Parts: sequence; structure tokens; C-alpha cells
Amino acid sequence: QVQLVQSGAEVRKPGSSVRVSCTTSGDSFISSAISWVRQAPGQGLEWVGQVIPVYGTADYAQKFRGRVSITSDESSTTAYMELSSLRSEDTAVYFCARSRHGGTSYWNYYMDVWGNGTTVIVSS
Amino acid sequence: DIVLTQSPGTLSLSPGERATLSCRASQAVSTTYIAWYQHKPGLAPRLLIYGTSSRATGIPDRFSGSGAGTEFTLTISRVEPADFAVYYCQQYATSRFTFGPGTKLDFK
Repeated sequence: QVQLVQSGAEVRKPGSSVRVSCTTSGDSFISSAISWVRQAPGQGLEWVGQVIPVYGTADYAQKFRGRVSITSDESSTTAYMELSSLRSEDTAVYFCARSRHGGTSYWNYYMDVWGNGTTVIVSS
Repeated sequence: DIVLTQSPGTLSLSPGERATLSCRASQAVSTTYIAWYQHKPGLAPRLLIYGTSSRATGIPDRFSGSGAGTEFTLTISRVEPADFAVYYCQQYATSRFTFGPGTKLDFK
């Protein structure tokens, strides 16, 4: 049974950074990808980015380029999302999702097991 | 980026009725790269369908997906009370994934 455990809620001031972790268990970390998806209050799901541990590569939504870094640590089977230059619009629940490869390109992963989410509040 | 549009925004049905949710892509997407998720407030999203029509593990067969090109559909053959939620389509054809805005299925 694959489980994803995310770090606890965070409160940050505008302009600061936040790092959220996602620790997986029960499956091969290296054979999967980890995506980060957020949901702002009253809004829909928004993809932030994806890391593929076996390649050590990450792709990001254009909206977050330059402000986000998604990394992975195979030894601890943990993925991290760091978002900098925070603004109030970044207030959201951030979900990580373990993803399975389903296609011909290195990035073709679908999100099949999700963490419970981490609330990030950005407020002065 | 591929833009996904979902319709209707809200679908009001009674248990036992058939639900048809649509997802339109701004450009053609291979059927390999469309997924559908169910999301209830306060919970994690749940994968229903991947590759346009493949049901994820444990998903009941009243959920089915179809489509091709730019038009994709999620069908719930007979809605049950547990199905009232928001449904999102998502593409993973390009290295920058996108979600549709969601369709809320609520109780009539």
C-alpha cells in the first residue's frame, strides 16, 4: 500500500519562502514521479511541477518558473517543493502525488496516489 | 500550454441518473494522455481514469471514459450519493501538465 505523508501546515510572510516535504512508502520511489498540485481557496486544481527521481529532472508550470524548485532524495524517499517570493495568492493547499509512467516521453506520468495536502498561508 | 475547458460548470442530478461530463482541449491530445480525477472537499483528489478510458485500481465500472482528438468525456452510468464531488480532466501529453477548471456534480 503506497502512502504519501506530507509535512505540516505553514504560515509565511509575503516575500519569504516555504519548503514542503512528501515522504513515500510502500513502493519503488525511483520508478515513479512526484507531482505537486495546489488548490487555492475556492479555486480548482493547479499543477505546479513534477520531479522524476530516476533522471533527477524536474518540469514546472510556466506560471511558477523561477520561483519553484522541486527535488527528490532517494535515500529518504522524499520529495520537496520549495516556493519562494511568496505572495498572498500562494495561499493554498499543496498536494503531492505519486505518479506512474504512461506514455512514450520521459514526462508522461499520471497521478495515481495522493498525499493529504499541506496548507500554506501567506499573510503579513 | 494545452488549455482544457470543461462543461457544464455544474451538473445537478438525482441518484440513479446518468452523468456526462465533457472536457475539450485547445489542441488535439493523444488518448494516451488524458486523466480524470474526483475531488471532495477536505480530501485528496482521487484518480478515476487514465489513458482516456482505463479505470484506476478500485474504481467501480459505473465510471467510464471516452473520447479522441480534442473532445473527451467522463460518464457515470448511474450516479450514487458518494459521487457528488468536483471532477477534473487533466492532460499529461506535454511536459507542462494542465487541469481543466472542473465540473461540480451536485444533488438535484
